[in-house]
Amino acid sequence: AQSVTQLGSHVSVSEGALVLLRCNYSSSVPPYLFWYVQYPNQGLQLLLKYTSAATLVKGINGFEAEFKKSETSFHLTKPSAHMSDAAEYFCAVRATGGGNKLTFGTGTQLKVEL
Amino acid sequence: KAGVTQTPRYLIKTRGQQVTLSCSPISGHRSVSWYQQTPGQGLQFLFEYFSETQRNKGNFPGRFSGRQFSNSRSEMNVSTLELGDSALYLCASSLAGTSENIQYFGAGTRLSVL
Repeated sequence: AQSVTQLGSHVSVSEGALVLLRCNYSSSVPPYLFWYVQYPNQGLQLLLKYTSAATLVKGINGFEAEFKKSETSFHLTKPSAHMSDAAEYFCAVRATGGGNKLTFGTGTQLKVEL
Repeated sequence: KAGVTQTPRYLIKTRGQQVTLSCSPISGHRSVSWYQQTPGQGLQFLFEYFSETQRNKGNFPGRFSGRQFSNSRSEMNVSTLELGDSALYLCASSLAGTSENIQYFGAGTRLSVL
């Protein structure tokens, strides 16, 4: 079964600092990978997706992620954190071959401090 | 274009009761998936419906069921509620059949079982 592992349930950065949220996937074939963000009392919003077209994926709000097959990683980065980035971030994998089932990581709560 | 709409937003039930949650997908989307989100178990896939047929199911007891109507609206039902069913239930819709299959999430229904 495919799975994703998010290292660090809580990450704290200063405003203006680099944001790095880690995600490693487990898959025998290149999967579809996603990053979602969840603000309090809201659903999930898609930040970006990897679907094998390009290894460096740019998303909304200045976020990007790089797919590294050799490291089975799909880490999320943003060069400069903003207070509005404080939220919970989820990495997810969807198997190829039909169906829309997403398997999520356990999430990383990002805190941005002044 | 309207997003995914889930009703109601909040529900309070007592143990042993049953509950029905509703999800209206984005216009034109034919796939609807349901997820349960709890602090202990995180985000877990319940089931997916496509063209009124369940095509994928997660590892939940039979008390959890769903259906999809011809207009792609979906409902999920939980019978004989248990305290552990307290959770945020998220619905997601997508344009099934495309290579992207991005899932768009609603704001969720927060169910509290007393």
